[in-house]
Amino acid sequence: EAGVTQSPTHLIKTRGQQATLRCSPISGHTSVYWYQQALGLGLQFLLWYDEGEERNRGNFPPRFSGRQFPNYSSELNVNALELEDSALYLCASRGRQETQYFGPGTRLLVL
Amino acid sequence: LAKTTQPISMDSYEGQEVNITCSHNNIATNDYITWYQQFPSQGPRFIIQGYKTKVTNEVASLFIPADRKSSTLSLPRVSLSDTAVYYCLVGDTTSGTYKYIFGTGTRLKVLA
Repeated sequence: EAGVTQSPTHLIKTRGQQATLRCSPISGHTSVYWYQQALGLGLQFLLWYDEGEERNRGNFPPRFSGRQFPNYSSELNVNALELEDSALYLCASRGRQETQYFGPGTRLLVL
Repeated sequence: LAKTTQPISMDSYEGQEVNITCSHNNIATNDYITWYQQFPSQGPRFIIQGYKTKVTNEVASLFIPADRKSSTLSLPRVSLSDTAVYYCLVGDTTSGTYKYIFGTGTRLKVLA
């Protein structure tokens, strides 16, 4: 069974641009979570989607947004990129059990 | 803002048992405690999960006291390949809404 996949693996943008990151959950999982991990730091909760709806968000500005599609895949959009948005963005999915399973991440670099 | 805290780093020798504790004073009533292992530039890998008392699987044990305000991950007989950062994950309702909170992470270094 395939795990959580994310694309692209790496993304380079300049300040002010927009970035779109994608996540495909494990088959059968309906919940998708997004986390930000700045270099050398811990993981910060960004967004939680379930059944197509945003269930909760962390302490991030509104320029961080996303959506979940009918097939439960998800997009994370970051508008008006700032240098400090450079980080590893991790997606996790969860099925009926309480366990979140993570993808390999997208490394975003803002220049 | 609630914090979920762990020791910053630990050193151990191959073959020893390692115990890593996570303090989560504001864990949500119905939430599970999950531990992950992370290697550089990779996504966290699931190790073990529990709600209360003790859970054991083929790679680790998880001890949770009755008040659930902390948990201890136990890795038996570590090897060099266990060198990684270990995180606990809990749900938290301190801010009035439910959020997932990762611990601060413990960098484990296993020495030969």
